[in-house]
Amino acid sequence: AQSVTQLDSQVPVFEEAPVELRCNYSSSVSVYLFWYVQYPNQGLQLLLKYLSGSTLVKGINGFEAEFNKSQTSFHLRKPSVHISDTAEYFCAVSDRGNAGKSTFGDGTTLTVKP
Amino acid sequence: NAGVTQTPKFRILKIGQSMTLQCTQDMNHNYMYWYRQDPGMGLKLIYYSVGAGITDKGEVPNGYNVSRSTTEDFPLRLELAAPSQTSVYFCASSYRPTGPSYEQYFGPGTRLTVT
Repeated sequence: AQSVTQLDSQVPVFEEAPVELRCNYSSSVSVYLFWYVQYPNQGLQLLLKYLSGSTLVKGINGFEAEFNKSQTSFHLRKPSVHISDTAEYFCAVSDRGNAGKSTFGDGTTLTVKP
Repeated sequence: NAGVTQTPKFRILKIGQSMTLQCTQDMNHNYMYWYRQDPGMGLKLIYYSVGAGITDKGEVPNGYNVSRSTTEDFPLRLELAAPSQTSVYFCASSYRPTGPSYEQYFGPGTRLTVT
């Protein structure tokens, strides 16, 4: 079984400041890792994904994440946030061999203040 | 492409009533999923399907049923609605390209209240 822990439920930050949203996972098998973003009253949309290869993954809207196998982490970062980045962010892990079922973390609410 | 569409957007049910949440995708995806999202929580998998005619239970299947007669449609049936089923329901789909990746594409959600 796999699990995902998002270490911060809420992250307030000022506009143009850097931000890191932390995600740890546990799994006994190889996994894929994802970050999704959910804007108010909308469904989730993919921000970025790690499948294999380079551990630094770049996504949309200037976000990037780094896969750290030894620490079983997949933290999301952005060097300079905008008001429009205010949203809920979900980390997810999928078992490579089990029908694509994803386990989602409980989410981190990023609030960007002017 | 419309992507993943869900109907209705909102619904209020009385305790004991039944309803079907509709989900359709036009991306020819093999995999489809139903999740519920309670306030301040992540997504809990209710049911999923790996293809037409094949469904399986997720983490929280009690009180729900699904069917998958076509690739495009994956309706979720609520029987005997209970207040505990008040939630936002998301349908999603994913596919296997030349190398599987399982990223999911989500619908806009159905906000259900049971009173």
